[in-house]
Amino acid sequence: AQTVTQSQPEMSVQEAETVTLSCTYDTSENNYYLFWYKQPPSRQMILVIRQEAYKQQNATENRFSVNFQKAAKSFSLKISDSQLGDTAMYFCALKPHGANSKLTFGKGITLSVRP
Amino acid sequence: NAGVTQTPKFQVLKTGQSMTLQCAQDMNHEYMSWYRQDPGMGLRLIHYSVGAGITDQGEVPNGYNVSRSTTEDFPLRLLSAAPSQTSVYFCASSSPPGFDTGELFFGEGSRLTVL
Repeated sequence: AQTVTQSQPEMSVQEAETVTLSCTYDTSENNYYLFWYKQPPSRQMILVIRQEAYKQQNATENRFSVNFQKAAKSFSLKISDSQLGDTAMYFCALKPHGANSKLTFGKGITLSVRP
Repeated sequence: NAGVTQTPKFQVLKTGQSMTLQCAQDMNHEYMSWYRQDPGMGLRLIHYSVGAGITDQGEVPNGYNVSRSTTEDFPLRLLSAAPSQTSVYFCASSSPPGFDTGELFFGEGSRLTVL
């Protein structure tokens, strides 16, 4: 079984500042993917960033980057230069390798960006 | 390119009624799944399918039924709706044959209210 834990239900950040969202996980698999998904008020689930567990280098996508600590089973998301459009729920998720394996989500965190 | 299409987007039911949430994808994905999203609970897997004719239960399958007669379609049936099934439902798919990126592609969600 695999679990994903997001312990902070809500966070707030000032526009243009940097914020870090925390995520820890547990899995017995050696090969897996980690994801951060964004869900704005429109309800659409949007992939923010993806990390392959076998890669030591942290993934980055423009203003979004991760701090992946495999031994600690930690996968935090850093948002730089926060924008009003970043206001959303953010979900951390884990999926073992294999086309037929299941994706497990954390409970999500609500991020509010203040003008 | 339509991606994952869910219908209806909104539905109100009375307790005991039955209904089907439709899901279709045009990306030749083998894996399809249904999640429900409830406040404070994240997304929980209801049922999933790894190909036509193959389905399996997820974390919260009770009260729901699925079938997969074609690669494209994966309907979710509520057999006798209960207020506890009031939720937002997401269909998601991933992985064309032989190409697993781990990413799930989501429909826009269906908000179901059971009175």
